[in-house]
Amino acid sequence: QSALTQPASVSGSPGQSITISCTGTSSDVGDYNYVSWYQQHPGKAPKLMIYDVSNRPSGVSNRFSASKSGNTASLTISGLQADDEADYYCSSYTSSNTHWVFGGGTTLTVL
Amino acid sequence: EVQLVQSGAEVKKPGESLKISCKGSGYSFTSYWIVWVRQMPGKGLEWMGIIYPGDSDTRYSPSFQGQVTISADKSISTAYLQWSSLKASDTAMYYCARHGSSALDYWGQGTLVTVSS
Repeated sequence: QSALTQPASVSGSPGQSITISCTGTSSDVGDYNYVSWYQQHPGKAPKLMIYDVSNRPSGVSNRFSASKSGNTASLTISGLQADDEADYYCSSYTSSNTHWVFGGGTTLTVL
Repeated sequence: EVQLVQSGAEVKKPGESLKISCKGSGYSFTSYWIVWVRQMPGKGLEWMGIIYPGDSDTRYSPSFQGQVTISADKSISTAYLQWSSLKASDTAMYYCARHGSSALDYWGQGTLVTVSS
């Protein structure tokens, strides 16, 4: 069982917006602004999409945005495109002895 | 350009030892932590451990403590992940990644380890 809880799957049509949630605890998401999001296409390495809750690395589309409220972080993808179809993982620093944890991952299907 | 290049796929038998590598280039290798991440077939990402090549300070996730050894040779900008006795359950893709200020900003291409008799 992953430390951070994500929905197993979400879907949307091209042009629509979707939101993926990432629920942790007061020992991780709720206590640190070190939440990051990764995109992984099949057979590829993960790619950093968001860091420090809501910051986009250079080169990442502004269609990707993120936020946090309490123990839950969220990733929103607007204007869905076919290439957005991938697995998405959240991650957070944690005060537990694991130091860092991932969510279980969410598969995004673009209909 | 920052790059992390991992060693190639491995096929091993249970009980054998293995050491895979991750070579960094395009940045100061000794100034950033390197993380190892496991992805079992069809499953999610798991933090295994982290090393600071500058002084080899290493921390392990409790799930992997005692199961693997993480090391680094800063003279050749390379981090390692090794097993002394592989099990079938070690079959997975293993990624190294650079730990930027607060996230994994660059990733290696992954090393597939298959353990089968």
